[in-house]
Amino acid sequence: DVKVTQSSRYLVKRTGEKVFLECVQDMDHENMFWYRQDPGLGLRLIYFSYDVKMKEKGDIPEGYSVSREKKERFSLILESASTNQTSMYLCASNSPAGGYEQYFGPGTRLTVT
Amino acid sequence: GIQVEQSPPDLILQEGANSTLRCNFSDSVNNLQWFHQNPWGQLINLFYIPSGTKQNGRLSATTVATERYSLLYISSSQTTDSGVYFCAAFTGNQFYFGTGTSLTVIP
Repeated sequence: DVKVTQSSRYLVKRTGEKVFLECVQDMDHENMFWYRQDPGLGLRLIYFSYDVKMKEKGDIPEGYSVSREKKERFSLILESASTNQTSMYLCASNSPAGGYEQYFGPGTRLTVT
Repeated sequence: GIQVEQSPPDLILQEGANSTLRCNFSDSVNNLQWFHQNPWGQLINLFYIPSGTKQNGRLSATTVATERYSLLYISSSQTTDSGVYFCAAFTGNQFYFGTGTSLTVIP
């Protein structure tokens, strides 16, 4: 079974802190994604990566950066956390070889106070 | 990008009832998936169904790619089926999500 794991289920940070959200997948997927989910707004794509060291902006990249140094790991970075970044963050991965079937991690509920 | 629309937005069922959820998409897609978001927020894969029909227990799904829609059938609903159901269409290199159907199954 494909497994996508995220470093924390719940996280509380203060405004201005640098925040790292980690995502690891174990199925050698080329593509990895970061979304945020907010009530009434659905899932919105922040960044995605289709290869090591490659990244592409999604719909709402402002205030975020990403890092993909290894194929299995995709990190989302909040350089200076703000209260409007309080949200549910979901990581996902897929592969062309798997027909782009998308698998999600359990999510991280981030609260910025 | 493409538009993905789900209906109905909300659904309340008595336990044991059947239901059909619909997903329309505005252009050709490479992949269509259905997910169930559990109370803890995780998106659970239900079906990977770019075309045709699949069944898994009480759930089944049909995608008619030429007519740009997919249906999710839930039979003999149970309280554990409650939650939000999303469809997502993959084209180019991105997934496009619908806004979900919120299902509540009451005992």
